[in-house]
Amino acid sequence: AQSVTQPDIHITVSEGASLELRCNYSYGATPYLFWYVQSPGQGLQLLLKYFSGDTLVQGIKGFEAEFKRSQSSFNLRKPSVHWSDAAEYFCAVGGSGNTGKLIFGQGTTLQVKP
Amino acid sequence: DARVTQTPRHKVTEMGQEVTMRCQPILGHNTVFWYRQTMMQGLELLAYFRNRAPLDDSGMPKDRFSAEMPDATLATLKIQPSEPRDSAVYFCASGSGPLGQYFGPGTRLTVT
Repeated sequence: AQSVTQPDIHITVSEGASLELRCNYSYGATPYLFWYVQSPGQGLQLLLKYFSGDTLVQGIKGFEAEFKRSQSSFNLRKPSVHWSDAAEYFCAVGGSGNTGKLIFGQGTTLQVKP
Repeated sequence: DARVTQTPRHKVTEMGQEVTMRCQPILGHNTVFWYRQTMMQGLELLAYFRNRAPLDDSGMPKDRFSAEMPDATLATLKIQPSEPRDSAVYFCASGSGPLGQYFGPGTRLTVT
C-alpha cells in the first residue's frame, strides 16, 4: 500500500539549532517526493521536490532534503532554524503518472524556542 | 507570481444552507484538487479533476457534496445541505502532471 509516515507529530527546537524532520514512504513505483510547509491560517506551500538525479535537493527558505532509496526516506533538514520556521510540515509522495495525485503524511508541527 | 485563488476566505452559515466555494487554478494547470482539513482528520482529498473531467470523487460525501469545473479557470465545491460536521478549512490546489501541487489559501467554513 502507498503511504507516508512522519514519525514525529511535534518537534521543538531552539532558534539557531539545526533541524531534521523525518519522512518515510511506501510506494510501488519510482517516487516523486515533496515537502510542504503550512503556517497558521495559510495554505500549504511547496518547499522542495525530488524526481530524480542528485539525491540532495535544495528548496526555498534554506531547507534541503535527502532522498535515500535504501531507507525509503526523504528527510528535511535546515542548518539553523529561525523563529519564523515555526509551522506544520508535510511530506508527500506521488508517482510519474499524469494525475499528480499526492499521498500526504500526517504532518509534523515545529515549535521554535527563543 | 501565479497563485491559486479561493473565495470566500471565510464563510459562516447555518445548518441546512447551501455553501459554494470557488477556486481559480493557476493558468495552464490542467489538474485541480479539493481537500478538507480538520484537526481530527487532518488533510483529506475530496475530489480531483484533470482537463475539467472528474477523475476521482471517492473522498466526498456523495449525498451532499458536489464538485464541478464549469471552465478551465473555475472549480466549484458545493455543500447542500450543510451540517456542523462540515466545518473545516477547504483547500483547492492545482498542478500540471506529477510536478507538484500548488495550494490556495483556503476557505474556512463554519456551520452553526
